[in-house]
Amino acid sequence: GEDVEQSLFLSVREGDSSVINCTYTDSSSTYLYWYKQEPGAGLQLLTYIFSNMDMKQDQRLTVLLNKKDKHLSLRIADTQTGDSAIYFCAEEWDTDKLIFGTGTRLQVFP
Amino acid sequence: AAGVIQSPRHLIKEKRETATLKCYPIPRHDTVYWYQQGPGQDPQFLISFYEKMQSDKGSIPDRFSAQQFSDYHSELNMSSLELGDSALYFCASSFSGSSYEQYFGPGTRLTVT
Repeated sequence: GEDVEQSLFLSVREGDSSVINCTYTDSSSTYLYWYKQEPGAGLQLLTYIFSNMDMKQDQRLTVLLNKKDKHLSLRIADTQTGDSAIYFCAEEWDTDKLIFGTGTRLQVFP
Repeated sequence: AAGVIQSPRHLIKEKRETATLKCYPIPRHDTVYWYQQGPGQDPQFLISFYEKMQSDKGSIPDRFSAQQFSDYHSELNMSSLELGDSALYFCASSFSGSSYEQYFGPGTRLTVT
């Protein structure tokens, strides 16, 4: 399966936490990723998690993986206006190619 | 730190013309991937190369071809361009020893008129 789904929009107040959710279908994925894309820019690798892990924390970012439900989430603590962007989850499929989710547009307001 | 370099950054072509996009991976990276991102869409995998050999193929039209050279840079050749080919084309690179880290270039924005 190659469907990776995300909610389209998320709006949060500066200083609050943001949680971006993703569901995927390929249970054999080895790694799952979060990428950030600012307007007109490339894809920035934020973090990734190995499929045998439940959680990974990296500074303000926390990734949670529920493999049973094929659910991945990205929590951004103390969200800043500079975090406004589109966030893509992606799963590694077959020979290392990435299948991207539909993207979640995060808007942070003061 | 050195990143993935793509050239040109912007390209405008007319229908039925050809275009060549170039990608220079991060030094010591031996694997290159090409993705296409249409307006408002998620990136779609096109093709990948490892050690100059094609390693995987996705939804790449027959009008497109690509190769990886001995210095590991890659070129995506696109012929008989169509309006629907207008998109952002990303190249990503990784090192086979840690292929789980794909780093993306800034992309080439192709506009077909």
